[in-house]
Amino acid sequence: SAVISQKPSRDICQRGTSLTIQCQVDSQVTMMFWYRQQPGQSLTLIATANQGSEATYESGFVIDKFPISRPNLTFSTLTVSNMSPEDSSIYLCSARDSGEKLFFGSGTQLSVL
Amino acid sequence: GDSVTQMEGPVTLSEEAFLTINCTYTATGYPSLFWYVQYPGEGLQLLLKATKADDKGSNKGFEATYRKETTSFHLEKGSVQVSDSAVYFCALSDYGGTSYGKLTFGQGTILTVHP
Repeated sequence: SAVISQKPSRDICQRGTSLTIQCQVDSQVTMMFWYRQQPGQSLTLIATANQGSEATYESGFVIDKFPISRPNLTFSTLTVSNMSPEDSSIYLCSARDSGEKLFFGSGTQLSVL
Repeated sequence: GDSVTQMEGPVTLSEEAFLTINCTYTATGYPSLFWYVQYPGEGLQLLLKATKADDKGSNKGFEATYRKETTSFHLEKGSVQVSDSAVYFCALSDYGGTSYGKLTFGQGTILTVHP
């Protein structure tokens, strides 16, 4: 099974700044995803991180706000840009391996002041 | 679009009690259904899954049966333990095309088990 390391695990940021979250998988995976879990709510898919091309964003999420990189088959980053308190959430990285299993990182708890 | 509805929480039980967490779904295709668990301070983990109608997923004493006629995937356990205290998420994946591997989650149910 794949192991996903996500960092930072938590951060407190000032309004208007940006934070980049890193997701490292210990094996090559076919697809990687970024989710957001707002306080008291369920997980919502932000985008699918595609290797070698632009990410595919879900309705309500845009590249300017959540730029994503995926330079290879084991690594992806999500940037939360120009943050506001409404961006305070847990951000989760997920990956699907060739056996079709989905794995999740432990999440990044972001608080924006 | 696809959606998942879970029973409202939180759920508080005594050890060895019977657990049911209801989950119903709406999907356009033939989804696979999942239960994920999030223990305190940890990431999401797959608990069990079912990929077609009438399949029963089971793991760690938990069971859920894919009921197409009622569009449900209720989670059950006959005797809960304190260590089962966690947040439980029902989810579906409507495989096909670009949606392959994406999950739609329910809102989560917090379970607390007391000794």
